[in-house]
Amino acid sequence: GAVVSQHPSWVICKSGTSVKIECRSLDFQATTMFWYRQFPKQSLMLMATSNEGSKATYEQGVEKDKFLINHASLTLSTLTVTSAHPEDSSFYICSARFSGGAGEQFFGPGTRLTVL
Amino acid sequence: AQSVTQPDIHITVSEGASLELRCNYSYGATPYLFWYVQSPGQGLQLLLKYFSGDTLVQGIKGFEAEFKRSQSSFNLRKPSVHWSDAAEYFCAVGDNAGNMLTFGGGTRLMVKP
Repeated sequence: GAVVSQHPSWVICKSGTSVKIECRSLDFQATTMFWYRQFPKQSLMLMATSNEGSKATYEQGVEKDKFLINHASLTLSTLTVTSAHPEDSSFYICSARFSGGAGEQFFGPGTRLTVL
Repeated sequence: AQSVTQPDIHITVSEGASLELRCNYSYGATPYLFWYVQSPGQGLQLLLKYFSGDTLVQGIKGFEAEFKRSQSSFNLRKPSVHWSDAAEYFCAVGDNAGNMLTFGGGTRLMVKP
């Protein structure tokens, strides 16, 4: 139980294009999902908290117009990297928390984004 | 503000040897503490967690961790390391609502045959 998937697992795009990454909770409902970014050999940094049916809350320094987050249902959140540039290349990981649950986040396998 | 420090960036141990990975945290209230493992190019897998109760927590894959409030530590241990344990290990602290998970910098474990 508590499986989180991400799609795609990797993507290569040209500079200036937009890329959408999906995060799904497969066997539970997730009121809240989280998006993290991980640079090579570094830790995870929280980008934003996504709540179903409301606007995402972005961490300081994260451009909300560049990283669009939509949490349209209790099992799906999407992260769209708009007008991607090489510096956006990174490993993006989502996590999900049970609706009404406490403490634990369940992580997806991550998406490797490479912007050429 | 909450923070997590993992003092050891890299650790190398011989297969069969014991392992201890250090984690120190700073948190204003009762912390929820986690250890995750990440294999190259993969997401995070939860090894164990501490919310309350017994301060010695057992996890998967033979790992355990001990919460020491007086030392603000939550060190991860394993009595006998296997080659498959080579990975990156992250300690994290969060609140009781499952939000605001803050990760340490990670410790890369290498296992010598």
